[in-house]
Amino acid sequence: DQQVKQNSPSLSVQEGRISILNCDYTNSMFDYFLWYKKYPAEGPTFLISISSIKDKNEDGRFTVFLNKSAKHLSLHIVPSQPGDSAVYFCAALGKNTGFQKLVFGTGTRLLVSP
Amino acid sequence: DAGVIQSPRHEVTEMGQEVTLRCKPISGHDYLFWYRQTMMRGLELLIYFNNNVPIDDSGMPEDRFSAKMPNASFSTLKIQPSEPRDSAVYFCASISMGLVTEAFFGQGTRLTVV
Repeated sequence: DQQVKQNSPSLSVQEGRISILNCDYTNSMFDYFLWYKKYPAEGPTFLISISSIKDKNEDGRFTVFLNKSAKHLSLHIVPSQPGDSAVYFCAALGKNTGFQKLVFGTGTRLLVSP
Repeated sequence: DAGVIQSPRHEVTEMGQEVTLRCKPISGHDYLFWYRQTMMRGLELLIYFNNNVPIDDSGMPEDRFSAKMPNASFSTLKIQPSEPRDSAVYFCASISMGLVTEAFFGQGTRLTVV
């Protein structure tokens, strides 16, 4: 049972354009969401996060949007750069007592071409 | 702190052999997670610990898989006997659920069972 879903396995974008990566979750007990970036032969590294009490968090070129009613979040990268090419994982974290777990999606491979 | 440390980085073993993967979490973190990266499931949660106690091992694929955390600074994931379909990259991550809101990953162990 995949509790966190990334339905697009890959995305190709031109340099300078916006990249939008999407993620859906099924369990309303998740109250914190994170995006990770992964290069080959390395562990995932934290990119940006958002609490369930917010609907937007911005950090430089990266913005995460959360739609709780739809159980959907997205990561916007603008402008996209070739160095952003990597696999992006969405993760959902339950911080409430009795439901504390960190679950990841299947990942989206982003390719930014010059 | 040197971050989450996993060993070995690469492991090649023959089918039927026992394999032990090791993880040293970040000092002070109270949660430790083991994941397996596959194309189909992305970062698949296998098991996680809170204060050295296993909380949820429902993601462990078979009885051939076991995990322990004898103390706050060390955890192992064991596969006995190993099979070719166990070949994957295994990651360990740790987090301080109360203070920190991102999980830190190790570099992973690439396991190849021939």
